[in-house]
Amino acid sequence: DQQVKQNSPSLSVQEGRISILNCDYTNSMFDYFLWYKKYPAEGPTFLISISSIKDKNEDGRFTVFLNKSAKHLSLHIVPSQPGDSAVYFCAANSGGYQKVTFGTGTKLQVIP
Amino acid sequence: NAGVTQTPKFQVLKTGQSMTLQCAQDMNHEYMSWYRQDPGMGLRLIHYSVGAGITDQGEVPNGYNVSRSTTEDFPLRLLSAAPSQTSVYFCASSRLGGPGYTFGSGTRLTVV
Repeated sequence: DQQVKQNSPSLSVQEGRISILNCDYTNSMFDYFLWYKKYPAEGPTFLISISSIKDKNEDGRFTVFLNKSAKHLSLHIVPSQPGDSAVYFCAANSGGYQKVTFGTGTKLQVIP
Repeated sequence: NAGVTQTPKFQVLKTGQSMTLQCAQDMNHEYMSWYRQDPGMGLRLIHYSVGAGITDQGEVPNGYNVSRSTTEDFPLRLLSAAPSQTSVYFCASSRLGGPGYTFGSGTRLTVV
């Protein structure tokens, strides 16, 4: 039972354009959502998060949008850069940091 | 700061052998966890700990043991290795208040 779903295994975007990565969840108890970026042969690194009391959070080129009614969140990267090429994981948890559930990841390729 | 240190980086085991994957963090984080990453499965939680002396099971705990005798260390023990445990293992830590994990660089384990 995949509670956090990333239905697009891969995405290719031209440098300078917007990258939009999507994530859906099924557990209505989730109240905190995170995005991680992972390069090959490295551990994931925390990118940005959002609480369920918000619908948007920005950090530089990265913006996360949360639509609670649709149980959907998205990560926007503007403008996309070749260094953004990585696997992006969506994650969610409820009531603290125990048992964070990750999605299966989306591999982003930014083409120069 | 070293962050989260995992050893070894690579390991090959024969079926039935036991071993311990080491994880140490120097950030005084209360929360530590172990995940495994398999193709198409994302990151799945094996065990986690909210402090010294306190551990709990995650999504896929069978075949693994953990202990947390100090804040810094959180070793993962494979009791009797099986080919199904071939995976990349990540240790992560965070403050209980988040906002996100710091991951180690991973241990690639192959069981033959």
